[in-house]
This record gives sequence, structure tokens and C-alpha cells, in this order.
Amino acid sequence: EAGVTQSPTHLIKTRGQQATLRCSPISGHTSVYWYQQALGLGLQFLLWYDEGEERNRGNFPPRFSGRQFPNYSSELNVNALELEDSALYLCASSLGLGAGNEQYFGPGTRLTVT
Amino acid sequence: KQEVTQIPAALSVPEGENLVLNCSFTDSAIYNLQWFRQDPGKGLTSLLLIQSSQREQTSGRLNASLDKSSGRSTLYIAASQPGDSATYLCAVRSGTASKLTFGTGTRLQVTL
Repeated sequence: EAGVTQSPTHLIKTRGQQATLRCSPISGHTSVYWYQQALGLGLQFLLWYDEGEERNRGNFPPRFSGRQFPNYSSELNVNALELEDSALYLCASSLGLGAGNEQYFGPGTRLTVT
Repeated sequence: KQEVTQIPAALSVPEGENLVLNCSFTDSAIYNLQWFRQDPGKGLTSLLLIQSSQREQTSGRLNASLDKSSGRSTLYIAASQPGDSATYLCAVRSGTASKLTFGTGTRLQVTL
């Protein structure tokens, strides 16, 4: 069974540009989560999608947005990139809304903003 | 607001030693707790998931315990190997947000 996949592996952008990151969940999983791991800041929750709807977002500005498609894959968009957006962005998926459901993580996208 | 702390921040042990990593959380109303492993620059590998109703979980040389009332979990690694070298993260799932709140991790190095 294929795990969570993310693309691209690496992304280099300049300040002010937009970045688009993609995630495909494990087959059968309807929930997708996005996390940011910036150097020295640990893993921070960004967004949660389930059944195509945004269910919750972390303490990030509105220029971080995303969506979930009918096939449950997801896209994270970061507008007006700033240097501090440089980080490893991790996507996770789980079965539905059940609170006990385990989250499985992808390999991440390394975003570098210059 | 849930806060998760991991002690120690870094640990170096010789191969073959048994070791314990600690995780504490401030809000005991959790759904579950996961332990993850992260190799440098890589994603997270889930090691163990403990539901709030469980006391421990075991997988091979790994054993994780949960004491929800005291807000603590431990990850026990038996007979450590150089391949165990990585950062170990614990994360708790609580509240209605369904998100995971992560600790800052313990960086483990197992030497030959």
C-alpha cells in the first residue's frame, strides 16, 4: 500500500512569490493535515481538511491557504513568500474524523525562500 | 492550550544500552499519543500510537507507556543500535481540532 506522497521534494522561491505544495493521502483516508517544521521552531499545525472542507487552521496568517480535492488530495498555497517561510512542510493523512485515528506522514517538501 | 515537553533534548549512548525517553503534556484530556522517529531532513515515521484508554503499546524493541492522569509518557528502547540514531518526537491529539501537538524532540545518538 502506498504511503502519503508529497511533491515537489524541494522548492526554491524568491521573496514575494507564491508556492504550491501537493499531497496525496493514503488510499481510503479522507483527512489531510499540513504541518510546518521551521528551523528551531518545531512542528506547528497549519491546516486540517476532511471531505473537502477546511476543519481547522493553526495560528498562521491568511496567506497560508489550501484546499482538498474530490479525490482527497490536497494543495497548500503560500502567497507573498517571506524568508521565514523557509521550512520543511509535512503532510499527514488519517481515516476520517475519528479522534483516535493515527496520522501517517509523508516525506515532506523543503521550501527555501531567498 | 496543550503544551508538550520532551526530556532530554539530546542523548548519546553506547550500542546495546537500554534507554528511556520522556514526554510530558499539560492537558490530560487527550485522545491519543503518538511517538515518531525523524531522520535528518526527512519526514516522520510513526512508531507507536497509544489511545487514551491504553496504558502501553509495544513494537519489537520499543515500548511506550502512558499515564494520562500525570500527563506523562515514556518510550523505552531496548538494546539500542546505531540505526536507532534519530530524533524522537512525541505528539498528543487533544481537543476538537484533531491536530497533533508536538514536543521539541529528543535527538538520540547511539555510538559503536
